[in-house]
Amino acid sequence: AQSVTQLGSHVSVSEGALVLLRCNYSSSVPPYLFWYVQYPNQGLQLLLKYTSAATLVKGINGFEAEFKKSETSFHLTKPSAHMSDAAEYFCAVSGQGGSEKLVFGKGTKLTVNP
Amino acid sequence: EAGVTQSPTHLIKTRGQQATLRCSPISGHTSVYWYQQALGLGLQFLLWYDEGEERNRGNFPPRFSGRQFPNYSSELNVNALELEDSALYLCASSRGFGGSTDTQYFGPGTRLTVL
Repeated sequence: AQSVTQLGSHVSVSEGALVLLRCNYSSSVPPYLFWYVQYPNQGLQLLLKYTSAATLVKGINGFEAEFKKSETSFHLTKPSAHMSDAAEYFCAVSGQGGSEKLVFGKGTKLTVNP
Repeated sequence: EAGVTQSPTHLIKTRGQQATLRCSPISGHTSVYWYQQALGLGLQFLLWYDEGEERNRGNFPPRFSGRQFPNYSSELNVNALELEDSALYLCASSRGFGGSTDTQYFGPGTRLTVL
């Protein structure tokens, strides 16, 4: 069985500040991990994914995430927040790449203050 | 390359009616997934179809059903609608059984409102 916990349903940062969104997972098989972003009234857009090739994964829009097996974590970071980063972010786990169901965390809503 | 498309964008029904939601996957993708995003419940997996077959099903009652057509498009049917079925229904597609290189790409969703 797999599960995802996202710490903090709401995170607020100032423009230019570091963004850190936390994700911890539980998986009985080697996990595949994903971060998706959802803008208001839209579907999900893939930011990045971990598929065991490299522990530090770079994604779109300057985001990156590091897989830490010992901590069962896959936190999402961005060095400098932009106003356009305001959205809801979802961490997800799958047991076989993207070829089976994704189990999502409850999401973290990011607010960027000017 | 066109992304995943869903129709309709919005759907308003009354309790007890049936709803039909449609999804067209990215060209070349054979797998289609359905998720429900209900307020307070987060994103929950509903159904997975690949090559016309139902591969997996989430913890939803049988009145949620669907099918996949030979062109890989898919339909989600919800019978005997209840108020709590009001949600955003998201469809995703992937190349299907691609292993570690596969990724699910999502459509914009259908907002179902049950009155």
